[in-house]
Amino acid sequence: GAGVSQSPRYKVAKRGQDVALRCDPISGHVSLFWYQQALGQGPEFLTYFQNEAQLDKSGLPSDRFFAERPEGSVSTLKIQRTQQEDSAVYLCASSPGTGGSEQYFGPGTRLTVT
Amino acid sequence: AQTVTQSQPEMSVQEAETVTLSCTYDTSESNYYLFWYKQPPSRQMILVIRQEAYKQQNATENRFSVNFQKAAKSFSLKISDSQLGDTAMYFCAFTDAGGTSYGKLTFGQGTILTVHP
Repeated sequence: GAGVSQSPRYKVAKRGQDVALRCDPISGHVSLFWYQQALGQGPEFLTYFQNEAQLDKSGLPSDRFFAERPEGSVSTLKIQRTQQEDSAVYLCASSPGTGGSEQYFGPGTRLTVT
Repeated sequence: AQTVTQSQPEMSVQEAETVTLSCTYDTSESNYYLFWYKQPPSRQMILVIRQEAYKQQNATENRFSVNFQKAAKSFSLKISDSQLGDTAMYFCAFTDAGGTSYGKLTFGQGTILTVHP
């Protein structure tokens, strides 16, 4: 079956622009996670959804970052007024149950802020 | 807070040989999961193997096996009969097995593994 998909795969934004990154999880998966991966580093947790409820947003680096999953399926990560330090790969993962002992990752979106 | 440490930034191995990647972690939790993920240059993160902390038996998946030492908080990955396709960045990761947001993965810094022909 289809895996986790993310779009766009690459995004270049000028500093100050707003961006929206999309994640399509595996159909029926309850849990959805967003991670930020800087070049050459391990991913870092941003936020977690269980269906449409955002249960943990402790990893969002600033109030410029906002995530939603209004119908419990597709999720969007929005970054307002992008800064150069926001340049990274943004990974989405989904899990069939409540929690993430079995997470399936998407290919990521590489964001470059110029 | 949990931490995961991978002390080997880079490793290399000859094709068909065996290599072991190291990982240590720190947690006050008693029930948790540990993982090894593989990230090839194409960037898609792939689960290699998973270990549940309450299980004493070490997990194995074909050529991949772990040495889980709970008291020492050590979780190493052994790759036997290395293949060229094993070339990738390998991440050790940890998650709690309870709480409202369990599943949040904490990753190590990664080890770049290169398999030479």
